Amino acid sequence: SQQGEEDPQALSIQEGENATMNCSYKTSINNLQWYRQNSGRGLVHLILIRSNEREKHSGRLRVTLDTSKKSSSLLITASRAADTASYFCATASGNTPLVFGKGTRLSVIA
Amino acid sequence: EPEVTQTPSHQVTQMGQEVILRCVPISNHLYFYWYRQILGQKVEFLVSFYNNEISEKSEIFDDQFSVERPDGSNFTLKIRSTKLEDSAMYFCASSDRDNEQFFGPGTRLTVL
Repeated sequence: SQQGEEDPQALSIQEGENATMNCSYKTSINNLQWYRQNSGRGLVHLILIRSNEREKHSGRLRVTLDTSKKSSSLLITASRAADTASYFCATASGNTPLVFGKGTRLSVIA
Repeated sequence: EPEVTQTPSHQVTQMGQEVILRCVPISNHLYFYWYRQILGQKVEFLVSFYNNEISEKSEIFDDQFSVERPDGSNFTLKIRSTKLEDSAMYFCASSDRDNEQFFGPGTRLTVL
């Protein structure tokens, strides 16, 4: 299985702090994608990193990918209360379905 | 910015009834997907669709499920005879060749 698994399962931080979430997977991938989900809502696409990329930035988000370790990290800098959500990594090979992990529940306390 | 839309946002049905969940993917995308998420659980793949046919399906996607692209814009998921355990959020997604999948807001299906 390509399954991505996020770590930690839950993370609670103060507003303004940085939040780091990790994802590990098992097989070769073409890309890895991170999504955010507010409670009971849809999945918001955050960022896609390809297997030949090592780091990617988007606003306050920084994603790294280490294909040798089959792992990725998502860093949210200067967190805000509005960042409170579940964050999922999802892996894919070619145009295959995404395989999601269980997610990290991030709580940002004002 | 183009987005995937889904209707209805919430569907309540009686066990054994048929439901059709509708999606309008992003217009220039070629690949379409349905996923579901049972409350508190992971997002699970159901089926993918490309070039007017199913390209892949999971074990969940049994004979009770079907998909259709009836015209150039809509993509539907039909459940013929709903069961209690079909209660979940159903997400439609679409992607281009890069497989960057964009999801709709979901339809919450409640089977009573």
